[in-house]
Amino acid sequence: AQSVAQPEDQVNVAEGNPLTVKCTYSVSGNPYLFWYVQYPNRGLQFLLKYITGDNLVKGSYGFEAEFNKSQTSFHLKKPSALVSDSALYFCAVRDMATGANNLFFGTGTRLTVIP
Amino acid sequence: GAGVSQTPSNKVTEKGKYVELRCDPISGHTALYWYRQSLGQGPEFLIYFQGTGAADDSGLPNDRFFAVRPEGSVSTLKIQRTERGDSAVYLCASSVTSGATYEQYFGPGTRLTVT
Repeated sequence: AQSVAQPEDQVNVAEGNPLTVKCTYSVSGNPYLFWYVQYPNRGLQFLLKYITGDNLVKGSYGFEAEFNKSQTSFHLKKPSALVSDSALYFCAVRDMATGANNLFFGTGTRLTVIP
Repeated sequence: GAGVSQTPSNKVTEKGKYVELRCDPISGHTALYWYRQSLGQGPEFLIYFQGTGAADDSGLPNDRFFAVRPEGSVSTLKIQRTERGDSAVYLCASSVTSGATYEQYFGPGTRLTVT
């Protein structure tokens, strides 16, 4: 069975500081990993994905994430946080062993960037 | 270009009533997904269409839920005999095709409240 864990419900960071939002996963086969961001009253917006290749992937709005197979993690990072980054972030996985096309999401982490 | 649109944005209905939620995917996207997001949770998969056919409906919670996509574009999620537990935000997403590497683009959701 596949699962995604986002161990922190809430992350607070000062503007200009680096931010990390954590994600670990469990799948039967190879994972395809995604990060989405959700602003109030808006749908989820795609940030970035890991499919294969370089473990460090870069995405929208200066975000990046590092795939670590040994630790089964896919943490989201940004070198310098902006107040406008405050939102709800979701990690999602697609388990290639199941052949399913749907995404399996974590419970989300609320990021607050403090001015 | 236009993103995924969903109507209505909000729907309040009485317990036992029938509701229809509509999704208009991005033009040219052949794959369409329905998810349900309860308060404080990540989206949970309901059903996936490739073209006109439901390729995977394993996430539908029971036979009160049904979805169609008769012309391979617009989809309607139908809920019969609504229950208070059906209250949630229903999200629709589309992708270029069903290939696992393709990210899904989400609509703003329909907030369903069953009183």
